[in-house]
Amino acid sequence: DSGVTQTPKHLITATGQRVTLRCSPRSGDLSVYWYQQSLDQGLQFLIQYYNGEERAKGNILERFSAQQFPDLHSELNLSSLELGDSALYFCASSVVPGQNTGELFFGEGSRLTVL
Amino acid sequence: GEDVEQSLFLSVREGDSSVINCTYTDSSSTYLYWYKQEPGAGLQLLTYIFSNMDMKQDQRLTVLLNKKDKHLSLRIADTQTGDSAIYFCAVLNQAGTALIFGKGTTLSVSS
Repeated sequence: DSGVTQTPKHLITATGQRVTLRCSPRSGDLSVYWYQQSLDQGLQFLIQYYNGEERAKGNILERFSAQQFPDLHSELNLSSLELGDSALYFCASSVVPGQNTGELFFGEGSRLTVL
Repeated sequence: GEDVEQSLFLSVREGDSSVINCTYTDSSSTYLYWYKQEPGAGLQLLTYIFSNMDMKQDQRLTVLLNKKDKHLSLRIADTQTGDSAIYFCAVLNQAGTALIFGKGTTLSVSS
């Protein structure tokens, strides 16, 4: 158990809909990362938050947004869903980016299926 | 931008050695990483190597780093069926803000 909790584990929805994925980082970790894993693209970095502020952006679509709340949990919002958004979405956390070995601790993922 | 490339599949027999290779482009990584993903689970750090080292050994695992060629490899000695998983190579992006992962190498171990 990594200590990172993601909900829901599975989600099935229709095209055009909007969903919210939630992540609680490990206790004490200030940084949260979101990754998308699909068969064709592999593991793609979407976005990173550190202590409530957006710190880095990767390949995140404009239809997607995220935020980190004062209690450090994070939400990833996916809107106007398309079939191609079906993927496994991972949240990861770390203590402070760039410190120690930089290890990321991953949750078990939220599997999104868009029909 | 940064890119990390890995072969997608590797199949070995139990007891053999497995070698998983990775190449990367630009990186500011102080550390380079190997993560393991077992079926239905998230990624877990397997091992890492400091960027000024050429080799690191950790029990059955050996990591080799060739910085000149930007090549990283993971050798698993005496591979077991329990080693069957997806292995990801990862480096820090140039901005130093996030890990960039390869697409993962699926290791299949047959008995």
